[in-house]
Amino acid sequence: NAGVTQTPKFRILKIGQSMTLQCTQDMNHNYMYWYRQDPGMGLKLIYYSVGAGITDKGEVPNGYNVSRSTTEDFPLRLELAAPSQTSVYFCASSYRDGDHADTQYFGPGTRLTVL
Amino acid sequence: DAKTTQPNSMESNEEEPVHLPCNHSTISGTDYIHWYRQLPSQGPEYVIHGLTSNVNNRMASLAIAEDRKSSTLILHRATLRDAAVYYCILRESSGAGSYQLTFGKGTKLSVIP
Repeated sequence: NAGVTQTPKFRILKIGQSMTLQCTQDMNHNYMYWYRQDPGMGLKLIYYSVGAGITDKGEVPNGYNVSRSTTEDFPLRLELAAPSQTSVYFCASSYRDGDHADTQYFGPGTRLTVL
Repeated sequence: DAKTTQPNSMESNEEEPVHLPCNHSTISGTDYIHWYRQLPSQGPEYVIHGLTSNVNNRMASLAIAEDRKSSTLILHRATLRDAAVYYCILRESSGAGSYQLTFGKGTKLSVIP
């Protein structure tokens, strides 16, 4: 299994541009997540999905959109990029069955700079 | 906000045991204690988790205080590859708060050759 893959690895955007960060997992996990990590800080949850067709906001959703049309893919869309969105973005997935404490598996990250 | 308190940094000599402490005085009865680590320029990686009893796996051991207000991650023999930021995280077992991992700043572990 490749696990969780993310593309691109690096990207520089100009203010006001848009882009989509791709995330794919091949572990048949039902839950997927997007986090951002600012320099020297911990990760913050942007959006998550509990299954295909179902998404919900996390702690810092403003300026982002997501969709989950398949189990495998969970793209993150940035509209009108701003310098405050300069960060490293991590996608993660997990399998949850009821209330069990699931383990999240993370991708390698996408480093985004907005100038 | 993260509900755990960890030292900002720790140092260990290579091949020595390492004890990474975490305080979580407001833990509720159903919160799981999770540990993740993040190697430089990589995504976080699961290490271990527990609820009440001590836990062992191939990576580490987790010692949980009897009152559950603190825990200790134990690396039995530190290697250079263990140099990372270690995060202690409380996970609710159900409800809206159970979906995310709330990361604080963690403990940066340096391993000295």
